[in-house]
Amino acid sequence: AQKVTQAQTEISVVEKEDVTLDCVYETRDTTYYLFWYKQPPSGELVFLIRRNSFDEQNEISGRYSWNFQKSTSSFNFTITASQVVDSAVYFCALSERTGNQFYFGTGTSLTVIP
Amino acid sequence: ETGVTQSPTHLIKTRGQQVTLRCSSQSGHNTVSWYQQALGQGPQFIFQYYREEENGRGNFPPRFSGLQFPNYSSELNVNALELDDSALYLCASTKAGRIETQYFGPGTRLLVL
Repeated sequence: AQKVTQAQTEISVVEKEDVTLDCVYETRDTTYYLFWYKQPPSGELVFLIRRNSFDEQNEISGRYSWNFQKSTSSFNFTITASQVVDSAVYFCALSERTGNQFYFGTGTSLTVIP
Repeated sequence: ETGVTQSPTHLIKTRGQQVTLRCSSQSGHNTVSWYQQALGQGPQFIFQYYREEENGRGNFPPRFSGLQFPNYSSELNVNALELDDSALYLCASTKAGRIETQYFGPGTRLLVL
């Protein structure tokens, strides 16, 4: 079974619009971490944010914010006032206490149109 | 930049050959994980090395093997290459401990003909 699901395969927005990327996860662990990574065309995965299972407080960091809801097993990521440089593939990932691997979703390709 | 380096950046091999990919971890990190990312897919965990020993393995056959050296750098070896092994191979380093942020290198793009 897929542990991390990113239902949106491709999203296009016009520059300065807000965009939310969806992520739904599945785990039986009570302790786990969730991550968002960005992968530009160069290929390197860039760490963006991390959240642990005990902290559902949602935060804002610059133009990034996230909404973590354990009740719905969702960890959505929002970019405010999108810019062309935000164009990339975004991956949601899960790390469980009982394992040592990251489970990645299939990614959402974001295109910001100038 | 994460400080994680990988070599080579690109590689072309033919079916049946063997390949070795290399990774140097970020300073202060002693754990290295390897991932395979096929085109249009998310990275898939191959294995992790900690203290020079394999510390977990994904669903990959034994022809995928690895090493970690005393300086924490690592190698990924793939024997008897198949066409489906064509992918981006990513190395990630982290401090000891399972639930730590993994920092990724730029990857090695392998094409098997």
